[in-house]
Amino acid sequence: SAVISQKPSRDICQRGTSLTIQCQVDSQVTMMFWYRQQPGQSLTLIATANQGSEATYESGFVIDKFPISRPNLTFSTLTVSNMSPEDSSIYLCSVGYSSSVGSTAFFGQGTRLTVV
Amino acid sequence: AQTVTQSQPEMSVQEAETVTLSCTYDTSENNYYLFWYKQPPSRQMILVIRQEAYKQQNATENRFSVNFQKAAKSFSLKISDSQLGDTAMYFCAFTPYTGTASKLTFGTGTRLQVTL
Repeated sequence: SAVISQKPSRDICQRGTSLTIQCQVDSQVTMMFWYRQQPGQSLTLIATANQGSEATYESGFVIDKFPISRPNLTFSTLTVSNMSPEDSSIYLCSVGYSSSVGSTAFFGQGTRLTVV
Repeated sequence: AQTVTQSQPEMSVQEAETVTLSCTYDTSENNYYLFWYKQPPSRQMILVIRQEAYKQQNATENRFSVNFQKAAKSFSLKISDSQLGDTAMYFCAFTPYTGTASKLTFGTGTRLQVTL
């Protein structure tokens, strides 16, 4: 399995500011994924972070709002920029992992963001 | 595009009883993975069980088992001998087979309450 450390676990931020969330994996992975979970909702994919190239964003998400870095195969950051109360959500990073028994997606513990 | 549907927003079961959570999906892919994840109040996404579409045998993990009906595109989760610790949100998820679990499409979730 993969162990994923995500920081911070929670934060309360002022509107108009930015927050950078870090995701560290204990093994090298090709792709890392960032999800948003709005209050009481399911998870929605924001983007796929590839090492050495630009992140690939899903419909409805843009790089200016959610810039992503992927400097190496074990680390990624997601920045939530110019925050508004509507950005209050849980943000989760995820990686795909393959073993002899198959493939699985693992998640970090999530970052609970509250924008006031 | 894939869609995942969970038609039961909330369910309740008494401790030691059995409960089944429903999930249907739509895809044109022939090879894919299906997952059930559990999200307790700690918000950590915990893998419960995984099913590869090319396997006819239903996956089991201790008290958790699935009923995978590929033709019907149905993937239900059965929890036997329910325990208080099973109280959580349960999400059904889909990913196409790319060798490694890739980006996931989630259902809307079922909130399960286990009572005494």
